[in-house]
Amino acid sequence: EAEVAQSPRYKITEKSQAVAFWCDPISGHATLYWYRQILGQGPELLVQFQDESVVDDSQLPKDRFSAERLKGVDSTLKIQPAELGDSAMYLCASSLSSGGAKTQYFGPGTRLLVL
Amino acid sequence: AQKVTQAQTEISVVEKEDVTLDCVYETRDTTYYLFWYKQPPSGELVFLIRRNSFDEQNEISGRYSWNFQKSTSSFNFTITASQVVDSAVYFCALSATGDDMRFGAGTRLTVKP
Repeated sequence: EAEVAQSPRYKITEKSQAVAFWCDPISGHATLYWYRQILGQGPELLVQFQDESVVDDSQLPKDRFSAERLKGVDSTLKIQPAELGDSAMYLCASSLSSGGAKTQYFGPGTRLLVL
Repeated sequence: AQKVTQAQTEISVVEKEDVTLDCVYETRDTTYYLFWYKQPPSGELVFLIRRNSFDEQNEISGRYSWNFQKSTSSFNFTITASQVVDSAVYFCALSATGDDMRFGAGTRLTVKP
């Protein structure tokens, strides 16, 4: 069964350092999403890609966060510099198309701890 | 504005008991989609069901069943004869397009042997 892949699974870093997370969506899924999930809360969307283009990054803290999906397949989310409040689970999801009746499928996530 | 409320923060049951997880939503959209996801301790969100606003038929899948009531803006999830493997956090979510998912805060279900 096809799955969304993410790495690393766990990351510990010190504040002010740079971190990067990688996501490989299910093959053929044109839409890719990055979510942040703070402990005890539901996921919140950070950025959405349709192929290589950003569709929605309204909730992405652009002063320190960046995301790219250069070839419209895998994607990288970067934080520079990391802050203590960035400690969270970062989830990647993908879906077949944009809009309409579709379902997002999630990867295993990257747990980030900023010290 | 869209909002999803899962009032039950934590539920604990003994194996084989039935359990219902509540989900109440708010939206001004006439067309929308409701979802349930399961998040086991490993962290990934596992898709369970999608329901569109025009389909109020209840659905059953094995031990899982869902009750969608538009009149009360609720989309409740029942697990029959619960098992230890059902222990997880369950999220209800709402979306107008399939993209803009608004998740509830989740309900942590613990099933004790």
